[in-house]
Amino acid sequence: AQKVTQAQTEISVVEKEDVTLDCVYETRDTTYYLFWYKQPPSGELVFLIRRNSFDEQNEISGRYSWNFQKSTSSFNFTITASQVVDSAVYFCALPMDTGRRALTFGSGTRLQVQP
Amino acid sequence: NAGVTQTPKFRVLKTGQSMTLLCAQDMNHEYMYWYRQDPGMGLRLIHYSVGEGTTAKGEVPDGYNVSRLKKQNFLLGLESAAPSQTSVYFCASSYPGIAYEQYFGPGTRLTVT
Repeated sequence: AQKVTQAQTEISVVEKEDVTLDCVYETRDTTYYLFWYKQPPSGELVFLIRRNSFDEQNEISGRYSWNFQKSTSSFNFTITASQVVDSAVYFCALPMDTGRRALTFGSGTRLQVQP
Repeated sequence: NAGVTQTPKFRVLKTGQSMTLLCAQDMNHEYMYWYRQDPGMGLRLIHYSVGEGTTAKGEVPDGYNVSRLKKQNFLLGLESAAPSQTSVYFCASSYPGIAYEQYFGPGTRLTVT
């Protein structure tokens, strides 16, 4: 079955610190996608990244970077030089199956960035 | 384009009351979904639809019904609300072939007392 585990329930850092959010997944598929979403205090879900399992290269977007390791079934997310605006709940997600095309979400990691 | 919209944004119900949440999308997407989000549990799929006139159960369908009479609308009904249905409800839509990318609505916060 498809499963996403985000073991870190809550992380608190001070502004400008680097922080890594862990995501471990289980999938029966040989090819698959992985996602990260951000949920700021306002409540909406903001799409951050979609990654295809074919591509194991790390991805960098500004202060955000993602480390995908198929060998350990992990898709970790690092924020460099964190800012107060990064305070949010972050979700990692994986498609359920090709029929429903819905997503299975992890339980989320709440990140608090203190000024 | 408005994207995915949800009505209402907030609602308080008494146990046993009924209500309907409306989701509308203007992107001509085939697939639509209803998720619920509870503290510490991420989002869970309630029901989904792969096209107009079709609906199917997700992981947590009990206590909910859905209808997709028009392609752009997906309604979620609670016939007899229970406190366990206190949650934030998200609607999403997607188009087949775009790598499972889902577009989410802003959410509806429902409290059942």
